[in-house]
Amino acid sequence: QSVLTQPPSVSGAPGQRVTISCTGSSSNIGAGYDVHWYQQLPGTAPKLLIYGNSNRPSGVPDRFSGSKSGTSASLAISGLQAEDEADYYCQSYDSSLSAHYVFGTGTKVTVL
Amino acid sequence: QVQLVQSGAEVKKPGASVKVSCKASGYTFTSYYMHWVRQAPGQGLEWMGIINPSGGSTSYAQKFQGRVTMTRDTSTSTVYMELSSLRSEDTAVYYCAREGVSVYGMDVWGQGTTVTVSS
Repeated sequence: QSVLTQPPSVSGAPGQRVTISCTGSSSNIGAGYDVHWYQQLPGTAPKLLIYGNSNRPSGVPDRFSGSKSGTSASLAISGLQAEDEADYYCQSYDSSLSAHYVFGTGTKVTVL
Repeated sequence: QVQLVQSGAEVKKPGASVKVSCKASGYTFTSYYMHWVRQAPGQGLEWMGIINPSGGSTSYAQKFQGRVTMTRDTSTSTVYMELSSLRSEDTAVYYCAREGVSVYGMDVWGQGTTVTVSS
């Protein structure tokens, strides 16, 4: 089971702002390891959305933003659009497990 | 352009082994580590392990220790993931994903390979 906990689902109307939390512990996020976020559209491979807690790769709209504090991180989507309907995963590094790289449980974003 | 192209779908019987390939192009193969990640039907992402294509060193998730082997062929810019003693719970889509350098995280992903384990 994953050591990074996310809400199973969040939803919002077009144009609204939604946030997804990613809660870890002192052996991963709280230890200072970076958090990355991935978007997975239905039937496709994941895509890097945010890296190093708050950085967007080239081509990712600035509607997506990330932050980190303590043992948690968050992904915010502002100006929600229909094409944002997807699964979102956080990912970090954990020093206490042999599964060094860990993913969050995943969050389904639904655009109402 | 940078891309990772994986081998095709596989159907295996319980107890068998499967070997999935991931061919890299568009960048210097030996400069980027490669992860393997799997996703069971309707489930989340699960990290399996990582390989350094330069020297071939590997690190595996404890869950897969003894059952997984990751290798590379620098002459063809290809990494391989072999999983043995397959069971039904290994039915999943298997992805290779490049670990970025200046852009950290898994910045390029393969298209995925479906492995079905069924008697």
